[in-house]
Amino acid sequence: GNSVTQMEGPVTLSEEAFLTINCTYTATGYPSLFWYVQYPGEGLQLLLKATKADDKGSNKGFEATYRKETTSFHLEKGSVQVSDSAVYFCALRAPERRQLTFGSGTQLTVLP
Amino acid sequence: DTEVTQTPKHLVMGMTNKKSLKCEQHMGHRAMYWYKQKAKKPPELMFVYSYEKLSINESVPSRFSPECPNSSLLNLHLHALQPEDSALYLCASSPRTESLEKLFFGSGTQLSVL
Repeated sequence: GNSVTQMEGPVTLSEEAFLTINCTYTATGYPSLFWYVQYPGEGLQLLLKATKADDKGSNKGFEATYRKETTSFHLEKGSVQVSDSAVYFCALRAPERRQLTFGSGTQLTVLP
Repeated sequence: DTEVTQTPKHLVMGMTNKKSLKCEQHMGHRAMYWYKQKAKKPPELMFVYSYEKLSINESVPSRFSPECPNSSLLNLHLHALQPEDSALYLCASSPRTESLEKLFFGSGTQLSVL
């Protein structure tokens, strides 16, 4: 079946530190991959996406590259801000499915 | 307008109450979704409507009853809920069920069942 595995949190960083949140997946075929962000008390917002191997999604300084050979889609940001504190979800959509499969989420806290 | 609007934002209800959650979008999307999210967990899909017809029911108990009166509105009717049903209920929409790359979420209704 399809599944997404994220690194366990919580992750606590100082402002301007480098961020990596690992995400690996299991799926048949070539899934589309997503990162969603959820700020406290809010719904999920699409942060970035990639639909084929070697694609790089980017938004607001965040980046993730679709790596077919390692079945990974790690989220990175060079310099985090306090306002990046949120829960981050990795997700996939398998080609034959009309649903998203979410990872368990990673809580990020950035300290000033 | 790229918003999915949910009301109310917070709801407290007893186990014998009947209440409804409402969701509205004006993006012309024809797929609408209900998700349930427990604290510190990912969202779990409950229902999918496609062109106002129920297309997916993820084995949700009958005390949750969805309704899609038109292409812009989605309701979730609640009756005889249990305390374990307390959660954040998220509505989402996309142009079609195939278009999950353009999925928009509302801010949710935080439900507490006493």
